Amino acid sequence: DTEVTQTPKHLVMGMTNKKSLKCEQHMGHRAMYWYKQKAKKPPELMFVYSYEKLSINESVPSRFSPECPNSSLLNLHLHALQPEDSALYLCASSQVMGQSPDTQYFGPGTRLTVL
Amino acid sequence: AQRVTQPEKLLSVFKGAPVELKCNYSYSGSPELFWYVQYSRQRLQLLLRHISRESIKGFTADLNKGETSFHLKKPFAQEEDSAMYYCALRGYNFNKFYFGSGTKLNVKP
Repeated sequence: DTEVTQTPKHLVMGMTNKKSLKCEQHMGHRAMYWYKQKAKKPPELMFVYSYEKLSINESVPSRFSPECPNSSLLNLHLHALQPEDSALYLCASSQVMGQSPDTQYFGPGTRLTVL
Repeated sequence: AQRVTQPEKLLSVFKGAPVELKCNYSYSGSPELFWYVQYSRQRLQLLLRHISRESIKGFTADLNKGETSFHLKKPFAQEEDSAMYYCALRGYNFNKFYFGSGTKLNVKP
């Protein structure tokens, strides 16, 4: 299985809602990532988990809360989002540094719309 | 600091013409360079990486440390090559990828 899956594909939420995005991989990768991608823009790194521990937080607002419950799963909990948070949220996974191959594999993304 | 620069937002070529998508980077040390491609309505996927020194779908890219460039080339473009191409860099010692702003390649029939 060389695929990263993400659910849901689409999500529409109000500014007072609480929702979660889910990501799963079964490639044995120990690094997992959340990116945000606005239309016609490159992916912007949000968080990196390495061995289920948060290793990088790119100064993301606290209304985004990541969670890595085990080595195969990565969640992004959303609360009190703003309309400008509407974007495609991408999950990716890779081997950690120094382990080969360390290429990132991307999921299809969750298209989030905040009303 | 801008680590990866792709100067062209859009590149249009005719089918069969050579294509070169430019990528320049700034990073002290020895980064790893990648090219990712995103076809319409498909997920972002790896095209090639400099370590492998391979040719994928006819594309090649050579890391030029003197010019800090990693340009993507193909001698004869095909219509199915039309997509968004991102150059990416990973710094040594941490799992952090920096993406360029992307170049949209449009291959005309």
